[in-house]
Amino acid sequence: NAGVTQTPKFRILKIGQSMTLQCTQDMNHNYMYWYRQDPGMGLKLIYYSVGAGITDKGEVPNGYNVSRSTTEDFPLRLELAAPSQTSVYFCASSYSHLQPQHFGDGTRLSIL
Amino acid sequence: GEDVEQSLFLSVREGDSSVINCTYTDSSSTYLYWYKQEPGAGLQLLTYIFSNMDMKQDQRLTVLLNKKDKHLSLRIADTQTGDSAIYFCAESIEDSNYQLIWGAGTKLIIKP
Repeated sequence: NAGVTQTPKFRILKIGQSMTLQCTQDMNHNYMYWYRQDPGMGLKLIYYSVGAGITDKGEVPNGYNVSRSTTEDFPLRLELAAPSQTSVYFCASSYSHLQPQHFGDGTRLSIL
Repeated sequence: GEDVEQSLFLSVREGDSSVINCTYTDSSSTYLYWYKQEPGAGLQLLTYIFSNMDMKQDQRLTVLLNKKDKHLSLRIADTQTGDSAIYFCAESIEDSNYQLIWGAGTKLIIKP
């Protein structure tokens, strides 16, 4: 039972590069979320999706894009990496907005 | 805006009880959650409580909710070294499309 799987686990990018953080879940959850976690701070919601084909902005969406073409996958794209995007990124999923969220192990991203 | 506050650190002796506190500002919360994060890992749901409940017990964990004071606590009985982690409080708010608002996390340190 894999749950929520994120790849890669670590990545170092140069300023201006782009990359996609992958997230997939095998629990048939409708809702999926992307968060960033900065030291000493709570999680900040970047984007979320309530089902395939539907995405919406969270608290800190600038500099990111998402897509949700299938129920299972919810990739997060950084187009022009900036040092302020150095963070740990977590993907989560839930069956509904009232059900607990299940998290992946995170992607540690450094922008240099 | 909505806010969730937690102390950053708590130090307890092995075998003692740990009490991690959380205060929140929004009165329209529906569910309140406790998540545990071990080093290098994602967030693991520990327990959650519906906003119309006062208490929930699950083995060594006891959650207390004082809705009047907007105060939530997590008590861990007989604290073990394996309980060493960061504990996050989060609330689900009706007015925010049930998005979670997160505290910054409390690092639980176990002294031998």
